[in-house]
Amino acid sequence: GENVEQHPSTLSVQEGDSAVIKCTYSDSASNYFPWYKQELGKRPQLIIDIRSNVGEKKDQRIAVTLNKTAKHFSLHITETQPEDSAVYFCAGGSNYKLTFGKGTLLTVNP
Amino acid sequence: GAVVSQHPSWVICKSGTSVKIECRSLDFQATTMFWYRQFPKQSLMLMATSNEGSKATYEQGVEKDKFLINHASLTLSTLTVTSAHPEDSSFYICSARVGTSGPGETQYFGPGTRLLVL
Repeated sequence: GENVEQHPSTLSVQEGDSAVIKCTYSDSASNYFPWYKQELGKRPQLIIDIRSNVGEKKDQRIAVTLNKTAKHFSLHITETQPEDSAVYFCAGGSNYKLTFGKGTLLTVNP
Repeated sequence: GAVVSQHPSWVICKSGTSVKIECRSLDFQATTMFWYRQFPKQSLMLMATSNEGSKATYEQGVEKDKFLINHASLTLSTLTVTSAHPEDSSFYICSARVGTSGPGETQYFGPGTRLLVL
């Protein structure tokens, strides 16, 4: 089955700085890689996703890159704001299901 | 669009009782729903895939007789925790998949149900 590794487990940045979270996956058949943001006690919210036929996708301050050869993908958040503070999960999908990374606790200090 | 509801949001029960959790897709039809379990400060662990009109597919290590899943309609899946024990206490979250055309279509999550078994 799929195995998704996520790093770092915690990340602290100053407001306005950029944050990068990295994930690797094991199953070359995986072709869908979403990122979810989860605030304490709330549901995971999809913030961006990428499919394997695309190398990069951007949505305002958020971007995701995918390297299929190396089997890794990354989330980039620019101009971070305190409201970006949350746990971020990457996931990799094949066969109609997702495997999640262990999460990254992002703290943006004002 | 793509709103998923879950009920109840939290439940406290005595050991040995059964608890039913409902997951509904409010504005779309979901032939596939997923049930996850999340322990504090940990990741989402897939328990089972719920398919409308057929039996659920359980992940390795998940007892199907303990966690009964029924997906009777295109908008409703239920998870019943039978004979609950304190170790079953957790945050249970469902998701519904939008799209049926291929693997990896977007999943939208419900708000979760916090279960505490005394």
